[in-house]
Amino acid sequence: QVQLVQSGAEVKKPGASVKVSCKASGYTFPSYAVSWVRQAPGQGLEWMGWISAYNGNTDYAQKFQGRVTMTTDTSTSTAYMELRNLRFDDTAVYYCARDRSTAEPAVIDYWGQGTLVTVS
Amino acid sequence: DIQMTQSPSSLPASVGDTVTITCRASQNIRRYLNWYQQKPGKAPKLLIYDASSLQSGVPSRFSGSGSGTDFTLTISSLQPEDFATYYCHHRYNIPQTFGQGTKVDIK
Repeated sequence: QVQLVQSGAEVKKPGASVKVSCKASGYTFPSYAVSWVRQAPGQGLEWMGWISAYNGNTDYAQKFQGRVTMTTDTSTSTAYMELRNLRFDDTAVYYCARDRSTAEPAVIDYWGQGTLVTVS
Repeated sequence: DIQMTQSPSSLPASVGDTVTITCRASQNIRRYLNWYQQKPGKAPKLLIYDASSLQSGVPSRFSGSGSGTDFTLTISSLQPEDFATYYCHHRYNIPQTFGQGTKVDIK
């Protein structure tokens, strides 16, 4: 079965960086993409960006351009999301999720369990 | 950015009810609309993709319709496990955006 297992909770100071990992199993990793979505406490969902696990192409929401980097390691079927220059309002649960298309952001079908990043 | 507006924000309901949630996009998104269910402390779960296609393993009491700017999610014969928050989501362009959510809770 498709599984996405994320790294554990993080506490960071303002201005620091955080790197969240997402290990995929149960499917052929390079045949899909990975999207990253975050959810601030008690709030809705916010799409951050997408990376093709096939060729490494990325699409980032403009809001995060310059602060976020998404990468993949096909040898370990792992995706990473690094967010730099953290602010208090970056406190959120960060989700990785499988995307069905490697050509462009498409349907997000399976999600990781989420990683709480607290900026304090 | 395309704005996704859901209504209502809160929907009290009883087991066995049929409930309908609407989602309106600020511009034409054709049929690039998905619906997710989220329970407290859990990740979202895909229910419907491309407006009306049922995700594998999702009960048939969930259905979706619409195109362009107006979409609906219908849950027929609400079950106890269906009390949750529902989000619409468009994939028409970048950035993808979500509705603000509709909480279906016990009347």
